[in-house]
Amino acid sequence: DGGITQSPKYLFRKEGQNVTLSCEQNLNHDAMYWYRQDPGQGLRLIYYSQIVNDFQKGDIAEGYSVSREKKESFPLTVTSAQKNPTAFYLCASRPDRNTGELFFGEGSRLTVL
Amino acid sequence: AQSVTQLGSHVSVSEGALVLLRCNYSSSVPPYLFWYVQYPNQGLQLLLKYTSAATLVKGINGFEAEFKKSETSFHLTKPSAHMSDAAEYFCAVSLLSGNKLVFGAGTILRVKS
Repeated sequence: DGGITQSPKYLFRKEGQNVTLSCEQNLNHDAMYWYRQDPGQGLRLIYYSQIVNDFQKGDIAEGYSVSREKKESFPLTVTSAQKNPTAFYLCASRPDRNTGELFFGEGSRLTVL
Repeated sequence: AQSVTQLGSHVSVSEGALVLLRCNYSSSVPPYLFWYVQYPNQGLQLLLKYTSAATLVKGINGFEAEFKKSETSFHLTKPSAHMSDAAEYFCAVSLLSGNKLVFGAGTILRVKS
């Protein structure tokens, strides 16, 4: 079935370590997004990519990095520069801007000890 | 800049009662509007969307929402709450030409038996 796969579902890391969250989609969507979710704050946009080999910063990009080498894949790296990395991370994709809706993965919960 | 305000971070209703979740948006041009639902530790699922066609939009699971331009509102309703409706609900806005969705802070719906 078509969809978005995020891995791992749960991840524990020590402070100061970089971690990479995987996001793969087989929906043939051009655009992909990463959001961070914290209780009571809704979803905040970290990075997005409209096309392969191109991406833009969202509202809270500091301490994060991404790549878009393939249409299907949009991994997110949480670097040691991110001051408060413990959160729920959601990857999404969008077929085209005319319909507007996003399709979401199941999320990855990162806990930094 | 576009923004979304969801009134009430927590709403509690009895099973069988009317569900009303409020959403107001700020946008200088006609937007696309969305309601998503999220169950614990899962991704977001689209309930319904408004894309400048009919102002009353019907979605999945018996939910509907009405776009009111004069009030800049897009409130979500369901005539009779079910226990399975307990979840967090997010309203989101996107410009017709926009690259991204902006989300509200979310409303947690509790259904009492």
